Amino acid sequence: DAKTTQPNSMESNEEEPVHLPCNHSTISGTDYIHWYRQLPSQGPEYVIHGLTSNVNNRMASLAIAEDRKSSTLILHRATLRDAAVYYCILRTSDNYGQNFVFGPGTRLSVLP
Amino acid sequence: NAGVTQTPKFRILKIGQSMTLQCAQDMNHNYMYWYRQDPGMGLKLIYYSVGAGITDKGEVPNGYNVSRSTTEDFPLRLELAAPSQTSVYFCASSWASNQPQHFGDGTRLSIL
Repeated sequence: DAKTTQPNSMESNEEEPVHLPCNHSTISGTDYIHWYRQLPSQGPEYVIHGLTSNVNNRMASLAIAEDRKSSTLILHRATLRDAAVYYCILRTSDNYGQNFVFGPGTRLSVLP
Repeated sequence: NAGVTQTPKFRILKIGQSMTLQCAQDMNHNYMYWYRQDPGMGLKLIYYSVGAGITDKGEVPNGYNVSRSTTEDFPLRLELAAPSQTSVYFCASSWASNQPQHFGDGTRLSIL
């Protein structure tokens, strides 16, 4: 799988929007962009995924650059419960699952 | 709907002992995965399966074995426990390789 790079940590104030960036300059045409988050002492939780177009769901929005070399996870109003490690991962339909790698991710702190 | 169920939640083993970590999913997913997560790190893929009777190695398979006799179950076997296998183990499942993965709550394993 192609590699992603994310900032190690970010901070946000409660009830403000948060933009979590991810760079994936070697992305291929069949790679889906997935975002997961992991709350303390829990397993990872799926947040959102997309291929080319921006995506919205009840948890977040995913903005994908036109060249697909970067993406941004948007939390519209951060709450204290959003404090977690956020992982950006690429998954291709051509790859059955080998080396599905979660890197260090971005640790998001939300300040009251 | 239980999702992905892992047992046990906690376990302490002595060096050289063996044990099986259980994982079951009730979503009729074809794909199942085993990861380990060391403190402060991301997840690393141990083994995965694309369907009953089919398994393959991930990034860190040494010291582990798996089997997939049914769609629902994907047990992970440690034959000769070593201190380096102290970790949190997560099982996950997905409908397809590029679709979201659903994770269990993890098994915290300590080997002394």
